[in-house]
Amino acid sequence: GNSVTQMEGPVTLSEEAFLTINCTYTATGYPSLFWYVQYPGEGLQLLLKATKADDKGSNKGFEATYRKETTSFHLEKGSVQVSDSAVYFCALSDRSGNTPLVFGKGTRLSVIA
Amino acid sequence: DTAVSQTPKYLVTQMGNDKSIKCEQNLGHDTMYWYKQDSKKFLKIMFSYNNKELIINETVPNRFSPKSPDKAHLNLHINSLELGDSAVYFCASARRGETDTQYFGPGTRLTVL
Repeated sequence: GNSVTQMEGPVTLSEEAFLTINCTYTATGYPSLFWYVQYPGEGLQLLLKATKADDKGSNKGFEATYRKETTSFHLEKGSVQVSDSAVYFCALSDRSGNTPLVFGKGTRLSVIA
Repeated sequence: DTAVSQTPKYLVTQMGNDKSIKCEQNLGHDTMYWYKQDSKKFLKIMFSYNNKELIINETVPNRFSPKSPDKAHLNLHINSLELGDSAVYFCASARRGETDTQYFGPGTRLTVL
Protein backbone atom coordinates (compact mmCIF):
# COMPACT_ATOMS: atom_id res chain seq x y z
CA GLY A 1 0.00 0.00 0.00
CA ASN A 2 0.91 3.66 -0.18
CA SER A 3 2.93 5.13 2.64
CA VAL A 4 4.89 8.22 3.59
CA THR A 5 7.91 8.34 5.87
CA GLN A 6 9.23 11.59 7.24
CA MET A 7 12.00 12.39 9.63
CA GLU A 8 11.28 12.17 13.30
CA GLY A 9 11.09 15.39 15.22
CA PRO A 10 11.15 17.57 17.03
CA VAL A 11 13.46 19.83 15.08
CA THR A 12 14.72 22.92 16.88
CA LEU A 13 16.46 25.66 14.92
CA SER A 14 17.60 29.19 15.52
CA GLU A 15 16.02 31.97 13.51
CA GLU A 16 17.52 32.34 10.00
CA ALA A 17 18.86 28.78 10.00
CA PHE A 18 18.43 26.49 7.01
CA LEU A 19 15.64 23.92 7.26
CA THR A 20 15.37 20.48 5.70
CA ILE A 21 12.64 18.01 6.59
CA ASN A 22 13.07 14.71 4.79
CA CYS A 23 10.16 12.85 3.25
CA THR A 24 10.15 9.65 1.22
CA TYR A 25 7.20 7.78 -0.15
CA THR A 26 6.07 4.40 -1.41
CA ALA A 27 3.30 4.34 -3.97
CA THR A 28 2.08 2.55 -7.05
CA GLY A 29 1.95 4.72 -10.12
CA TYR A 30 2.63 8.43 -10.01
CA PRO A 31 1.19 10.10 -6.94
CA SER A 32 0.76 13.77 -6.22
CA LEU A 33 2.86 14.94 -3.28
CA PHE A 34 2.06 17.56 -0.68
CA TRP A 35 3.32 19.37 2.37
CA TYR A 36 0.73 20.48 4.88
CA VAL A 37 1.41 22.68 7.90
CA GLN A 38 -0.43 22.74 11.21
CA TYR A 39 0.13 25.82 13.34
CA PRO A 40 -0.54 25.49 17.08
CA GLY A 41 -4.25 25.05 17.79
CA GLU A 42 -5.24 25.17 14.13
CA GLY A 43 -6.21 22.78 11.35
CA LEU A 44 -4.02 21.69 8.48
CA GLN A 45 -3.23 24.07 5.66
CA LEU A 46 -1.82 23.13 2.31
CA LEU A 47 1.69 24.56 2.08
CA LEU A 48 2.77 23.34 -1.34
CA LYS A 49 2.33 20.52 -3.77
CA ALA A 50 3.83 18.86 -6.85
CA THR A 51 1.98 16.61 -9.22
CA LYS A 52 4.70 15.11 -11.42
CA ALA A 53 8.36 14.20 -11.39
CA ASP A 54 10.83 17.10 -11.22
CA ASP A 55 8.08 19.58 -10.36
CA LYS A 56 9.01 22.03 -7.63
CA GLY A 57 6.34 23.24 -5.28
CA SER A 58 6.98 26.51 -3.46
CA ASN A 59 5.18 28.83 -1.07
CA LYS A 60 6.15 31.29 1.69
CA GLY A 61 9.84 30.61 1.08
CA PHE A 62 9.43 26.84 1.40
CA GLU A 63 10.32 24.54 -1.49
CA ALA A 64 10.12 20.85 -2.28
CA THR A 65 11.07 18.99 -5.45
CA TYR A 66 9.36 15.79 -6.58
CA ARG A 67 12.20 13.29 -7.09
CA LYS A 68 10.94 10.12 -8.69
CA GLU A 69 14.35 8.46 -8.77
CA THR A 70 14.74 8.71 -5.01
CA THR A 71 10.98 8.70 -4.22
CA SER A 72 11.51 11.82 -2.13
CA PHE A 73 9.89 15.20 -1.54
CA HIS A 74 12.10 16.95 1.00
CA LEU A 75 10.95 20.29 2.39
CA GLU A 76 13.48 23.12 2.53
CA LYS A 77 13.60 26.74 3.58
CA GLY A 78 16.67 28.92 3.42
CA SER A 79 15.99 31.07 6.48
CA VAL A 80 13.36 30.07 9.03
CA GLN A 81 11.44 32.47 11.24
CA VAL A 82 9.85 32.02 14.66
CA SER A 83 6.47 32.15 12.92
CA ASP A 84 7.37 28.95 11.03
CA SER A 85 7.10 26.95 14.24
CA ALA A 86 4.48 24.30 13.50
CA VAL A 87 4.00 20.63 12.66
CA TYR A 88 4.73 19.76 9.04
CA PHE A 89 3.10 16.80 7.31
CA CYS A 90 4.22 15.19 4.09
CA ALA A 91 1.38 13.49 2.20
CA LEU A 92 0.57 11.76 -1.03
CA SER A 93 -2.46 11.05 -3.14
CA ASP A 94 -2.50 8.41 -5.83
CA ARG A 95 -5.09 10.44 -7.76
CA SER A 96 -7.35 7.50 -8.45
CA GLY A 97 -10.93 8.51 -7.84
CA ASN A 98 -11.72 9.71 -4.35
CA THR A 99 -8.69 8.34 -2.56
CA PRO A 100 -7.84 10.21 0.60
CA LEU A 101 -4.49 11.66 1.47
CA VAL A 102 -1.93 9.38 3.08
CA PHE A 103 0.06 11.33 5.66
CA GLY A 104 3.43 10.93 7.25
CA LYS A 105 3.61 11.13 11.02
CA GLY A 106 4.42 14.82 11.09
CA THR A 107 7.56 16.69 12.12
CA ARG A 108 7.37 19.36 14.78
CA LEU A 109 9.55 22.40 14.08
CA SER A 110 10.42 24.89 16.79
CA VAL A 111 12.27 28.04 15.78
CA ILE A 112 13.85 30.06 18.56
CA ALA A 113 14.86 33.71 18.38
CA ASP B 1 -16.63 33.24 5.22
CA THR B 2 -15.04 30.15 6.77
CA ALA B 3 -14.44 27.49 4.11
CA VAL B 4 -14.68 24.33 6.23
CA SER B 5 -16.13 24.67 9.70
CA GLN B 6 -16.56 22.17 12.51
CA THR B 7 -18.54 22.28 15.73
CA PRO B 8 -17.79 21.97 18.51
CA LYS B 9 -14.11 22.88 18.73
CA TYR B 10 -13.74 21.07 22.04
CA LEU B 11 -15.80 18.18 23.35
CA VAL B 12 -15.31 16.62 26.78
CA THR B 13 -17.54 13.71 27.70
CA GLN B 14 -17.82 10.57 29.78
CA MET B 15 -17.16 7.03 28.58
CA GLY B 16 -20.28 5.37 27.23
CA ASN B 17 -21.94 8.57 26.01
CA ASP B 18 -23.05 9.25 22.44
CA LYS B 19 -21.86 12.44 20.74
CA SER B 20 -21.86 14.12 17.35
CA ILE B 21 -19.43 16.41 15.56
CA LYS B 22 -20.72 18.58 12.73
CA CYS B 23 -18.89 19.68 9.59
CA GLU B 24 -19.97 22.15 6.95
CA GLN B 25 -18.18 23.42 3.86
CA ASN B 26 -19.22 26.39 1.76
CA LEU B 27 -16.80 25.72 -1.10
CA GLY B 28 -19.27 23.84 -3.28
CA HIS B 29 -17.16 20.69 -3.04
CA ASP B 30 -18.61 17.25 -3.75
CA THR B 31 -16.25 15.16 -1.62
CA MET B 32 -15.84 15.29 2.13
CA TYR B 33 -13.66 13.35 4.57
CA TRP B 34 -13.17 12.64 8.24
CA TYR B 35 -9.65 12.14 9.58
CA LYS B 36 -8.51 11.19 13.09
CA GLN B 37 -5.32 12.62 14.59
CA ASP B 38 -4.06 10.72 17.61
CA SER B 39 -1.98 11.99 20.51
CA LYS B 40 1.22 11.45 18.54
CA LYS B 41 -0.11 13.68 15.73
CA PHE B 42 -0.57 10.75 13.36
CA LEU B 43 -3.36 11.50 10.86
CA LYS B 44 -5.46 8.73 9.40
CA ILE B 45 -8.49 8.70 7.10
CA MET B 46 -11.74 7.42 8.57
CA PHE B 47 -14.41 8.08 5.96
CA SER B 48 -14.89 9.66 2.56
CA TYR B 49 -18.19 10.78 1.06
CA ASN B 50 -18.80 11.82 -2.52
CA ASN B 51 -22.03 13.68 -3.17
CA LYS B 52 -23.64 12.22 -0.05
CA GLU B 53 -22.56 8.65 -0.79
CA LEU B 54 -20.04 6.72 1.30
CA ILE B 55 -16.96 5.96 -0.78
CA ILE B 56 -14.31 4.96 1.74
CA ASN B 57 -14.78 3.41 5.13
CA GLU B 58 -11.48 2.45 6.66
CA THR B 59 -11.28 -0.02 9.52
CA VAL B 60 -13.24 2.12 11.89
CA PRO B 61 -15.46 0.58 14.61
CA ASN B 62 -19.13 0.63 13.71
CA ARG B 63 -19.69 2.85 16.74
CA PHE B 64 -18.67 5.62 14.33
CA SER B 65 -21.36 6.53 11.83
CA PRO B 66 -21.00 9.37 9.35
CA LYS B 67 -24.12 11.09 8.10
CA SER B 68 -24.36 13.39 5.10
CA PRO B 69 -27.71 15.21 4.93
CA ASP B 70 -26.54 17.14 1.87
CA LYS B 71 -23.28 17.52 0.04
CA ALA B 72 -22.24 20.53 2.10
CA HIS B 73 -22.44 18.66 5.41
CA LEU B 74 -20.77 15.54 6.79
CA ASN B 75 -21.47 14.86 10.44
CA LEU B 76 -19.80 12.23 12.59
CA HIS B 77 -21.81 10.43 15.23
CA ILE B 78 -20.04 8.29 17.80
CA ASN B 79 -21.88 5.81 20.03
CA SER B 80 -20.67 4.36 23.32
CA LEU B 81 -17.56 6.51 23.51
CA GLU B 82 -14.35 4.84 24.72
CA LEU B 83 -11.17 6.29 26.19
CA GLY B 84 -9.30 5.44 22.98
CA ASP B 85 -11.59 7.68 20.99
CA SER B 86 -9.87 10.71 22.51
CA ALA B 87 -8.23 12.49 19.57
CA VAL B 88 -8.57 15.47 17.28
CA TYR B 89 -11.01 14.86 14.44
CA PHE B 90 -10.59 16.80 11.22
CA CYS B 91 -13.13 17.26 8.48
CA ALA B 92 -11.91 18.04 4.96
CA SER B 93 -13.42 18.65 1.55
CA ALA B 94 -12.31 18.60 -2.05
CA ARG B 95 -13.64 19.36 -5.49
CA ARG B 96 -14.69 16.46 -7.71
CA GLY B 97 -11.73 15.53 -9.90
CA GLU B 98 -9.34 17.46 -7.66
CA THR B 99 -9.50 15.26 -4.60
CA ASP B 100 -5.78 15.41 -4.16
CA THR B 101 -6.13 19.00 -2.92
CA GLN B 102 -8.12 18.99 0.28
CA TYR B 103 -9.25 21.82 2.54
CA PHE B 104 -9.31 21.07 6.24
CA GLY B 105 -11.48 22.31 9.04
CA PRO B 106 -9.96 23.56 12.32
CA GLY B 107 -10.48 20.25 14.08
CA THR B 108 -12.53 19.04 17.06
CA ARG B 109 -10.62 17.93 20.12
CA LEU B 110 -12.55 15.08 21.74
CA THR B 111 -11.62 14.05 25.27
CA VAL B 112 -13.28 10.99 26.75
CA LEU B 113 -13.00 10.70 30.54
